Amino acid sequence: QKEVEQDPGPLSVPEGAIVSLNCTYSNSAFQYFMWYRQYSRKGPELLMYTYSSGNKEDGRFTAQVDKSSKYISLFIRDSQPSDSATYLCAMSNNNAGNMLTFGGGTRLMVKP
Amino acid sequence: GAGVSQSPSNKVTEKGKDVELRCDPISGHTALYWYRQRLGQGLEFLIYFQGNSAPDKSGLPSDRFSAERTGESVSTLTIQRTQQEDSAVYLCASSLDRIYEQYFGPGTRLTVT
Repeated sequence: QKEVEQDPGPLSVPEGAIVSLNCTYSNSAFQYFMWYRQYSRKGPELLMYTYSSGNKEDGRFTAQVDKSSKYISLFIRDSQPSDSATYLCAMSNNNAGNMLTFGGGTRLMVKP
Repeated sequence: GAGVSQSPSNKVTEKGKDVELRCDPISGHTALYWYRQRLGQGLEFLIYFQGNSAPDKSGLPSDRFSAERTGESVSTLTIQRTQQEDSAVYLCASSLDRIYEQYFGPGTRLTVT
């Protein structure tokens, strides 16, 4: 079993829909939780990060962490065709000097 | 400012040949990471540098893989005697002091024929 599980999709939604992307994990030591967006043939770019449990909002994006359930989510409001990409969750148990453990990514397609 | 750059962007090589992949991190970033991404999959950690030293090499898949970093800047990932299963995109990232703020390059797409 992988440390971080993520549904690969593809997830297809109409423009304007609310999108929910999720990851589950098994390592209770993870403290930092990140979401990256990766367009085709590009490197991942950091969207949001959260520390421990709770919510964080940035524009149309909201990240949620539920450490008791080992479950994290990324919500995208008013989704746009430009949001079409692969979304990768990543986690770490250390503030510095350690690797990120990534999920396999969910491919999102927002149709106009 | 300039982001992380990687070269070459694409590399096709014959099985058994050696390849060198280069990463230029963001200036001043002390930490540098190499990842491998197979088609349709997430990122697999390979190695991490803090300055010029590599405290974590745990992800290197075999002794055919090695990496070095000089001048707290450029890093080179070398794969010797390439195999077909080495075909993947190799991504480099750098960060200043916070692991969660890693900035990625565009990757090198390696194809071993």
